[in-house]
Amino acid sequence: GDSVTQTEGPVTVSESESLIINCTYSATSIAYPNLFWYVRYPGEGLQLLLKVITAGQKGSSRGFEATYNKETTSFHLQKASVQESDSAVYYCALGSSSNTNKVVFGTGTRLQVLP
Amino acid sequence: DPKIIQKPKYLVAVTGSEKILICEQYLGHNAMYWYRQSAKKPLEFMFSYSYQKLMDNQTASSRFQPQSSKKNHLDLQITALKPDDSATYFCASSQDLNQDTQYFGPGTRLLVL
Repeated sequence: GDSVTQTEGPVTVSESESLIINCTYSATSIAYPNLFWYVRYPGEGLQLLLKVITAGQKGSSRGFEATYNKETTSFHLQKASVQESDSAVYYCALGSSSNTNKVVFGTGTRLQVLP
Repeated sequence: DPKIIQKPKYLVAVTGSEKILICEQYLGHNAMYWYRQSAKKPLEFMFSYSYQKLMDNQTASSRFQPQSSKKNHLDLQITALKPDDSATYFCASSQDLNQDTQYFGPGTRLLVL
């Protein structure tokens, strides 16, 4: 079946440092899945951070970027300079079916940004 | 204002009992979903509904029964509760299927003793 593997947390970085959270996927049920990064801030619900639906394209939001790489089946999340407010759990996910819209999630990566 | 409401926020139940988790969305969406997240596991897809019709059921047990009384409601009834059912249950919705972006509710954390 479809699956998503991402950096195991927790990841700790200092404010203003760069960040990369790795994500690779395996999609057997759909040739070109949509790819997502969701984020859960402390005390809040899961919310969409960014979405890319076309291979080769880059998505960006709140200073975060991720590029849909079909050759390496990767969708790594990057930020050049993190802030303390970026501390959260980040989930990589793929859209597994266009008929039922099932989304397959990774296990999540907890990010702690130190002041 | 919250666009997807889940009630209750926390729920404690005894083994063998039955509970209903409530979900209402005010986004005008046509598709709704349930996911579950157990400790140290990824969110796991359970059901998808479109226009109040079941489109996909990925749960192995019939103890989990979604109920849709209105287009913007998708409740989850769980019968004969087991400790392994302890998890956070998330409701989500999207405009339609076809890989539309899903928006999630805050979740109901269920603990079965």
